[in-house]
Amino acid sequence: DGGITQSPKYLFRKEGQNVTLSCEQNLNHDAMYWYRQDPGQGLRLIYYSQIVNDFQKGDIAEGYSVSREKKESFPLTVTSAQKNPTAFYLCASRGFSRQNNEQFFGPGTRLTVL
Amino acid sequence: SQQGEEDPQALSIQEGENATMNCSYKTSINNLQWYRQNSGRGLVHLILIRSNEREKHSGRLRVTLDTSKKSSSLLITASRAADTASYFCATDVNAGNMLTFGGGTRLMVKP
Repeated sequence: DGGITQSPKYLFRKEGQNVTLSCEQNLNHDAMYWYRQDPGQGLRLIYYSQIVNDFQKGDIAEGYSVSREKKESFPLTVTSAQKNPTAFYLCASRGFSRQNNEQFFGPGTRLTVL
Repeated sequence: SQQGEEDPQALSIQEGENATMNCSYKTSINNLQWYRQNSGRGLVHLILIRSNEREKHSGRLRVTLDTSKKSSSLLITASRAADTASYFCATDVNAGNMLTFGGGTRLMVKP
């Protein structure tokens, strides 16, 4: 099956700990994205990557870090510098096409800081 | 700041009725997209309308775009309980990599 997967589905973290959220896609998409969603709110862009070994900050990058060593993978690390990390995190990918530039989303990871 | 703002924030209707959601945005766009999100899940792309299009249909979905008013609407006809979800508009300014999402409309369809 082609698609985009995220793991884990639920993640609990103690204050002061770094955690890494996984995002993998087998759609052969070049671009990948990380969004944060707070309850009852829309999506805010954290980081995005257009090609391997390159990524750019989104609107709320502070306290987060990413890497893009492989086309298929775009892990997100939530660092201890992120003051309010409890949220729902969504990963997405997109292929380059003149016809369509929709984004495909993973199922999300819900992070709770204890 | 969010490019798109949906209205209403929440909508409750009976099964069989039509549901209309509106999206307003601030800057010129290349295209506008609508997504659906079931509770606690990822988003699913519904439909894309380009800046040179005024109306588009997909099954029970009808999307309109008015670039002069910088607004779009999503109409779901003959709604079903399974249409209960949040609906988001997203704007693409230059056919590039980034989408900017609105805050969403939470639709509840009562059986």
